[in-house]
Amino acid sequence: DAEITQSPRHKITETGRQVTLACHQTWNHNNMFWYRQDLGHGLRLIHYSYGVHDTNKGEVSDGYSVSRSNTEDLPLTLESAASSQTSVYFCASSEQGANVLTFGAGSRLTVL
Amino acid sequence: QKEVEQNSGPLSVPEGAIASLNCTYSDRGSQSFFWYRQYSGKSPELIMSIYSNGDKEDGRFTAQLNKASQYVSLLIRDSQPSDSATYLCAVLWTGANNLFFGTGTRLTVIP
Repeated sequence: DAEITQSPRHKITETGRQVTLACHQTWNHNNMFWYRQDLGHGLRLIHYSYGVHDTNKGEVSDGYSVSRSNTEDLPLTLESAASSQTSVYFCASSEQGANVLTFGAGSRLTVL
Repeated sequence: QKEVEQNSGPLSVPEGAIASLNCTYSDRGSQSFFWYRQYSGKSPELIMSIYSNGDKEDGRFTAQLNKASQYVSLLIRDSQPSDSATYLCAVLWTGANNLFFGTGTRLTVIP
């Protein structure tokens, strides 16, 4: 069965460290998204991609970067982790031209 | 500023009752609307989409859209304890290709 996998599921890191959260989907979807979810803010879009080598900033992109070298993967990198980036991160994907999102299980990141 | 607003709740209803979840949005030109359900500690999952004014029914769920009032709602009939979750409203803004989410309404169905 097709799926979307995030790793690690839980991570604790220190302020200033670089962190990469992986997202791998086998749906063969063109569109991939990264959201963060915080109490009181709901889901907020960080970055998104509509295909290989395409990346776009979302509403809360500062301090994050992504790259898309193939259809299956969209890793999210925090260049220098900050305590404000403690959150639950969800990767999602959708077919080209569609807006129905399929979410991964989420990655809980704690920055101390 | 574009906004999607939901009552954060919690909304408590007895088992068997109708739960009514509401969402308002700021972009009058928005065309696509979605309801996602999120159980505690889990990821969101799509339960309904609606694109035209009026009602759309799927089993115990009914989505209602009123574009003139910029209002979309979700009714859950014969509520069950398994419906206890946070319900997220999502809107596709005019000219955008990404969904914007409300903060969600937490629903508790009391046995």
